[in-house]
Amino acid sequence: DVKVTQSSRYLVKRTGEKVFLECVQDMDHENMFWYRQDPGLGLRLIYFSYDVKMKEKGDIPEGYSVSREKKERFSLILESASTNQTSMYLCASSLGAWSSETSGRITQYFGPGTRLLVL
Amino acid sequence: GNSVTQMEGPVTLSEEAFLTINCTYTATGYPSLFWYVQYPGEGLQLLLKATKADDKGSNKGFEATYRKETTSFHLEKGSVQVSDSAVYFCALSVNTGGFKTIFGAGTRLFVKA
Repeated sequence: DVKVTQSSRYLVKRTGEKVFLECVQDMDHENMFWYRQDPGLGLRLIYFSYDVKMKEKGDIPEGYSVSREKKERFSLILESASTNQTSMYLCASSLGAWSSETSGRITQYFGPGTRLLVL
Repeated sequence: GNSVTQMEGPVTLSEEAFLTINCTYTATGYPSLFWYVQYPGEGLQLLLKATKADDKGSNKGFEATYRKETTSFHLEKGSVQVSDSAVYFCALSVNTGGFKTIFGAGTRLFVKA
């Protein structure tokens, strides 16, 4: 079974702090994603990565950055945390690029989430 | 653009009731469609999927049929259980050169004993 782990389940930080959220997957997946989940808004993509050291902005990248130095690890960084970044953060991974042969490559596997509170 | 619209919740049902959660989509290209489920305190997990028109995805008693003519992928279950209480997300992915999946807002389901 694919396992995606996130470094913390709950985190409390102060406004202006630099925050690191870590995600690790154990199935050699090429793609990794960071989402935030807010009530009524569903999942919104912050950043994704399709290879080591590669990254692409998602729909709401402002105030965030990411790092992928190793294939299994994808970090989300809040450079200067603000109260409007209080949210649930979900990491996900998928096997690889979309292929007409099988959609199994795009099924996403999620971690349990990190609930971040910024005071 | 690509988007997913699903019915607002919460949906509250008694055990053994019939469940329908509506989902419609707009997509440029030919999408694959998914339902993900999020149980309390957990991340999302794939419930079922369909990759082409008229395909039916099924799992754990849940079913959804890919309807291209109505751009819909409604989730159904004939008899819900308390353990089905969760948030359900409809999603699509299109091969436009990207790797992204677009998620709906989610529908929370409460099942009462």
